[in-house]
This record gives sequence, C-alpha cells and structure tokens, in this order.
Amino acid sequence: DVQMTQSPSTLSASVGDRVTITCRASQSVSSWLAWYQQKPGKAPKLLVYRESTLQSGVPARFSARGSGTEFTLTISSLQPDDFATYYCQQYNSYSWTFGQGTKVEIK
Amino acid sequence: QLVESGGGLVQSGGSLRLSCVASGLTFRNFWMGWVRQSPGKGLEWVANINQDGTEEFYVDSVKGRFTVSRDNARNSLFLQMKSLRAEDTAVYYCLRRVGPVIFWGQGTPVTVSS
Repeated sequence: DVQMTQSPSTLSASVGDRVTITCRASQSVSSWLAWYQQKPGKAPKLLVYRESTLQSGVPARFSARGSGTEFTLTISSLQPDDFATYYCQQYNSYSWTFGQGTKVEIK
Repeated sequence: QLVESGGGLVQSGGSLRLSCVASGLTFRNFWMGWVRQSPGKGLEWVANINQDGTEEFYVDSVKGRFTVSRDNARNSLFLQMKSLRAEDTAVYYCLRRVGPVIFWGQGTPVTVSS
C-alpha cells in the first residue's frame, strides 16, 4: 500500500495566520490526492480533490498544490471555523490510504 | 447519497455485517470502499471493491476476517466482519469514487466488547 506521511501532527496558530500542511507519499500518486477537514463527531468534509481542485462551497482561503509525491494544503488566513483536523488521502492505487492527520489548534 | 447501517455492539470473536445503500448515481459504474475511524484516532482505509465485484482489496489487519461485497441490482455495498477484535471498534464509513471525487456516508458505529 502507498504510505502517506503528513506533517505536522499538531499546528498551533492564531486567527489570521497563514498555515501550511504537508503530505508526502511513499511513491507517486499522480494527482490523485484529496484533502479533508474533520470536526469532532462529524464525517470528514471534502475540501480538495485531484490535488488542487476546491470542492464546491469551500472558501477561497484554502488552496492546494502538489507534485506526485509531495502535496500541500494552505489556509491563507485562518478563520475560527477552520480549527479542526485535516487529512490527506491518496486514491491512485487500489487502496485509498490516509495521512495521520494534522490538528489545527488555537494558539 | 450513501447510507450505512448494521453497526452496533458485538462481543469479541463475533460477527457483524455492515450495509451501505447508494442513491443518485448508477451504482454499478463506480468503485466502492470502506474506511474506519477508531475513537480518538485517524482515518484508516479498510477495503475496496471494483465495479463488478471481481476485485477486492483489504488492509492487512482485516485480511481473512473481513469480506467486502456488492449487489449492483440493489445498489448496495456490504462489509462482512468476522472474528471481531476490540481494535475493530470504530465508526465505519462507506465511500464511493466518482471520477476524481470520493463521496462519503455519515458512518455507522461498531463497538467490540472484550
């Protein structure tokens, strides 16, 4: 299975900060990379698919980019609603594996 | 839309069958899968199945114990779970891949008591 390594595991930031989360794949996953936001007790919410395409309704302060094995999710100006846990997921192979998650906390 | 059911409380060593009913798109056209999340933990891919059910893939920790299947005539996906362990306790989500997008259900909780 493709292994996904996400960093950092925890990120402390303030409202208005620019934050970046990184996800690395053990082998190329082409552009088949998604990002999710999850809040406690809820199902993950799709933010980005196909490496950099924002899902409908996702605010433009979210952006994503990648290069086959290294991917980033950036929030340009952190808002109160953005404090949550974020996961990357590759779906290039038969397995749809995830990074370990990044919890974005209030500083 | 994806709606899971079948979760609940089961004793260690027991069995449970999860179901997922899909609506809105032609079910037989898409890969389907299961993902789980144990309490306080991250997301873990569990199993996938191709469009006609001829290919199945599993995470190592469930191989030989879990079986994914589908019934395209009933727009349904299943996860048969046997020899359940405490570490299988999780919310189980049904997923559908539609081209570049993966859609999720709301999940069904499974608790394995030891």
